[in-house]
Amino acid sequence: SQTIHQWPATLVQPVGSPLSLECTVEGTSNPNLYWYRQAAGRGLQLLFYSVGIGQISSEVPQNLSASRPQDRQFILSSKKLLLSDSGFYLCAWKGSPNEQYFGPGTRLTVT
Amino acid sequence: RKEVEQDPGPFNVPEGATVAFNCTYSNSASQSFFWYRQDCRKEPKLLMSVYSSGNEDGRFTAQLNRASQYISLLIRDSKLSDSATYLCVWGSGSARQLTFGSGTQLTVLP
Repeated sequence: SQTIHQWPATLVQPVGSPLSLECTVEGTSNPNLYWYRQAAGRGLQLLFYSVGIGQISSEVPQNLSASRPQDRQFILSSKKLLLSDSGFYLCAWKGSPNEQYFGPGTRLTVT
Repeated sequence: RKEVEQDPGPFNVPEGATVAFNCTYSNSASQSFFWYRQDCRKEPKLLMSVYSSGNEDGRFTAQLNRASQYISLLIRDSKLSDSATYLCVWGSGSARQLTFGSGTQLTVLP
């Protein structure tokens, strides 16, 4: 069966510090992968998605970036965090036919 | 107009009650529809897909009305464990991307 992992689970970072969140998927090959952010009390905002290694589509221009160095690894990064980057970051993979399955998420607080 | 509109609630209902949520979508090209459930401070989890003919899974029934562009979720015999936020979701074409509603909050009271 497929599983999706994210780490860390929680993170507190100062403004201006860098960020690296990792997501890995097991049990599936060449999945479509997604990064979402959910601000407190808000809906899910799609940040990036990837259909394969090295292929990244950005949905929202901001100070975040994503990379897919391996088939089942998806990384979200920032060089300098802003207060507005606080939120719940969720990684997901696309199943068949079209549903998405989420990892446990990373709760980021920028102070 | 938002792509997906949901009544945010909260819906507070007693145990055993029947509750219904509606969700409207704006893109007539939408092909895939889902309901997700999100518990407080947890990730969303797929509750059920919504098929054109409607579908049922135990106490949960989902309906799709393409003409009026809305989907619905009916929960019968509510349990305390049904308390969560319910997200309406749709995808178009290949559904490479899904669009999520902001969710409807349900609290089932003892």
